Amino acid sequence: ETGVTQSPTHLIKTRGQQVTLRCSSQSGHNTVSWYQQALGQGPQFIFQYYREEENGRGNFPPRFSGLQFPNYSSELNVNALELDDSALYLCASSSKGFGRGETQYFGPGTRLLVL
Amino acid sequence: DQQVKQNSPSLSVQEGRISILNCDYTNSMFDYFLWYKKYPAEGPTFLISISSIKDKNEDGRFTVFLNKSAKHLSLHIVPSQPGDSAVYFCAALQETSGSRLTFGEGTQLTVNP
Repeated sequence: ETGVTQSPTHLIKTRGQQVTLRCSSQSGHNTVSWYQQALGQGPQFIFQYYREEENGRGNFPPRFSGLQFPNYSSELNVNALELDDSALYLCASSSKGFGRGETQYFGPGTRLLVL
Repeated sequence: DQQVKQNSPSLSVQEGRISILNCDYTNSMFDYFLWYKKYPAEGPTFLISISSIKDKNEDGRFTVFLNKSAKHLSLHIVPSQPGDSAVYFCAALQETSGSRLTFGEGTQLTVNP
């Protein structure tokens, strides 16, 4: 059973650019969530995809968008990058679409630096 | 609006002693509480969880206690080992919001040999 993988591991962009981050879910998982972890903070929920549809969104502007593919892998796209977007972006997968405390499995994250 | 708070950024304990990590929350609608451990350059790893209808859950060296009236939970690690040194995040979820996790800021635990 493969774990959650993310690419790239590190990325440097300049303000105003666009970025795409990728995530491969753990085998058998149909739900993917994305989190942003700024330095010294806990992860903040961006959005979640369940069976290719957005299933909840946190307090992030529309320039943060996502996709989930039929194989349940996922992308996070951020347009018009701002300096404050510099953070660790974490992807988490799970096997159910809704709560009940099921475990979410996190990838190692992508470290984004916006200059 | 910080719904989950970990007020201690760091904690240092001696190997073999007890580590107690604390977490407070404000949203009484949370249904589950979880603890995650994070090593540098790795994603958070699930450690233990507790339902809001329970007051204690134990798994080996790890025990989580929930005090609903105080909106407080704690993670006890006994005995602490140097390999436990990591950042510990408290997280909560509300079933009606899907599996969205609300995290605290984290506590860096250092276990000294």
